Amino acid sequence: QVQLVESGGGVVQPGGSLRLSCAASGFTFSSYGMHWVRQAPGKGLEWVAFIRYDGSNKYYADSVKGRFTISRDNSKNTLYLQMNSLRAEDTAVYYCAKDPLPYCGGDCSHFDYWGQGTLVTVSS
Amino acid sequence: QSALTQPASVSGSPGQSITISCTGTSSDVGSYNLVSWYQQHPGKAPKLMIYEGSKRPSGVSNRFSGSKSGNTASLTISGLQAEDEADYYCCSYAGSSTFYVFGTGTKVTVL
Repeated sequence: QVQLVESGGGVVQPGGSLRLSCAASGFTFSSYGMHWVRQAPGKGLEWVAFIRYDGSNKYYADSVKGRFTISRDNSKNTLYLQMNSLRAEDTAVYYCAKDPLPYCGGDCSHFDYWGQGTLVTVSS
Repeated sequence: QSALTQPASVSGSPGQSITISCTGTSSDVGSYNLVSWYQQHPGKAPKLMIYEGSKRPSGVSNRFSGSKSGNTASLTISGLQAEDEADYYCCSYAGSSTFYVFGTGTKVTVL
């Protein structure tokens, strides 16, 4: 069965950096595009970033563009999110989620499986 | 890109039907038949309930149905049950520059 397990969250000071990981299993990771979606405490969901199945294209929400970098290691079945210049408003639970079909360019329409999330707190 | 607009809360008694609206613009909901709906219980990850406007994933009860008219999508829950009490979010593909926009979320309460 599909499993997505995020890790790497924690408390970081404003301006600091953090790298999140998402370990995938139960499907052919190298064939699927992957997303990061976040949810601030008590707030709604916000799409953050997408990476194509082969890592050739990456897209970001305006709110994180230039500060966050999505990447993947298909040999390790792992998705990453490098977060730099963190701000208080980046405090959220970060979920990884997968495309429902292989070889999508990001417009697969929805996210069929989600991880349980990892909490990032940006505070001094 | 602004979030899609949903009512903050909707409630109903067991067995009743409720409908949650999700209003976007001609750049997202109105342009693509790619609206999805997610159920989220407290402290849990979102769960896909409806995709491409009206399709149900395997394992999701047929009490859940989706539709769209113009810039507004809707999720209907019929035969409301206690386990349906949760937050619900719509989401629409919004093109290759914005990608995805979520709704503001609706808390469903079973009275």
